[in-house]
Amino acid sequence: NAGVTQTPKFQVLKTGQSMTLQCAQDMNHEYMSWYRQDPGMGLRLIHYSVGAGITDQGEVPNGYNVSRSTTEDFPLRLLSAAPSQTSVYFCASRQPDRGLLGGYTFGSGTRLTVV
Amino acid sequence: AQSVTQLGSHVSVSEGALVLLRCNYSSSVPPYLFWYVQYPNQGLQLLLKYTTGATLVKGINGFEAEFKKSETSFHLTKPSAHMSDAAEYFCAVSDGNFNKFYFGSGTKLNVKP
Repeated sequence: NAGVTQTPKFQVLKTGQSMTLQCAQDMNHEYMSWYRQDPGMGLRLIHYSVGAGITDQGEVPNGYNVSRSTTEDFPLRLLSAAPSQTSVYFCASRQPDRGLLGGYTFGSGTRLTVV
Repeated sequence: AQSVTQLGSHVSVSEGALVLLRCNYSSSVPPYLFWYVQYPNQGLQLLLKYTTGATLVKGINGFEAEFKKSETSFHLTKPSAHMSDAAEYFCAVSDGNFNKFYFGSGTKLNVKP
């Protein structure tokens, strides 16, 4: 089915470990983004990309890296995990329609725990 | 800068009663406003959006919202709640080029039988 696919769905890391959260979409969306969701704080933008080779920072970029080598994939890297990065991470994509059509398409999320 | 405030982190209504979820925004540019719904263990789904034109917008599942510039509000309503409406609802405002969305902290809607 077309959509945004995130892997893994669950992950437990030890403090200081690194890992990559994967996000792939098959809708040929140029825009992709990563959000983290924390209780009582809604969703906060980490990084986004308006096309292959182009990325920019959101509200809370520290501790995370991204790259966009293809239109389909937008991985999020945690360089040295910290307990403050325990959260649910959502990847989202959309067409470059200035939001006039449907807003974002969200993945189902990755629940990350850092111990 | 844009920001969103959702009043009430939990709202409880009886089945068949009116649903009213409140959202106030702050924006330095003409706002583009959205409501999303999140069911347990799922991503967010778009309910409705306001970009330009008519200030009363209708969305899926019988929800609607009215953009009131003078009150900087975009409250979500549904005349008659259904059990399947139980979920968490997020209001969001976008910057002018839709690259950044700013979400409220969410309101969990509980529907009692």
